[in-house]
Amino acid sequence: SAVISQKPSRDICQRGTSLTIQCQVDSQVTMMFWYRQQPGQSLTLIATANQGSEATYESGFVIDKFPISRPNLTFSTLTVSNMSPEDSSIYLCSVEGSGGAEVLVTDTQYFGPGTRLTVL
Amino acid sequence: SQKIEQNSEALNIQEGKTATLTCNYTNYSPAYLQWYRQDPGRGPVFLLLIRENEKEKRKERLKVTFDTTLKQSLFHITASQPADSATYLCALEGQGAQKLVFGQGTRLTINP
Repeated sequence: SAVISQKPSRDICQRGTSLTIQCQVDSQVTMMFWYRQQPGQSLTLIATANQGSEATYESGFVIDKFPISRPNLTFSTLTVSNMSPEDSSIYLCSVEGSGGAEVLVTDTQYFGPGTRLTVL
Repeated sequence: SQKIEQNSEALNIQEGKTATLTCNYTNYSPAYLQWYRQDPGRGPVFLLLIRENEKEKRKERLKVTFDTTLKQSLFHITASQPADSATYLCALEGQGAQKLVFGQGTRLTINP
């Protein structure tokens, strides 16, 4: 499977500040996804990040709050802006499985380890 | 409205027995359904994918069934081991290419 790393692995932030989370993949992928997993909850898709175009946001998530960059096929960032305690969550990036790479299964997703964010 | 429900929030099974987890969905017509394993502090790990034209799929001690009439998938772990203890998530194709919608997960504990 793809090797995906995220930085930072965890952070504690003050209300009103912003945090940028980085996601690095060891192979080129077309689609990257950002999820939020609130304590005790399942994963909720925030947005889909494609290289060379604007990210596509899901209902309830907006670009001003969660700006995303996708400068190339192996890297993406998610910024959590103007944070409040309600933003405390685990943020995960994932990449699509690609039929072109023999170890990746089409239609699946491969996840990074997550970034645990606590907002005070 | 669209829903994915995993019937048990938590399940305790004796080591060696078969663990069976359930995933039901409403108002979806997914082309496939997937199961993931998530350990505390880690991202989900893909286990199995089953497509709408497949009734059953196996991988080692894992078996998944997919009944599109009942709108249900069953996930079985045979000869369960304490190392199988984790949260298991079902996910299905959402609206739009490659989008996955996840159930809330079942926390499985295998007792020695």
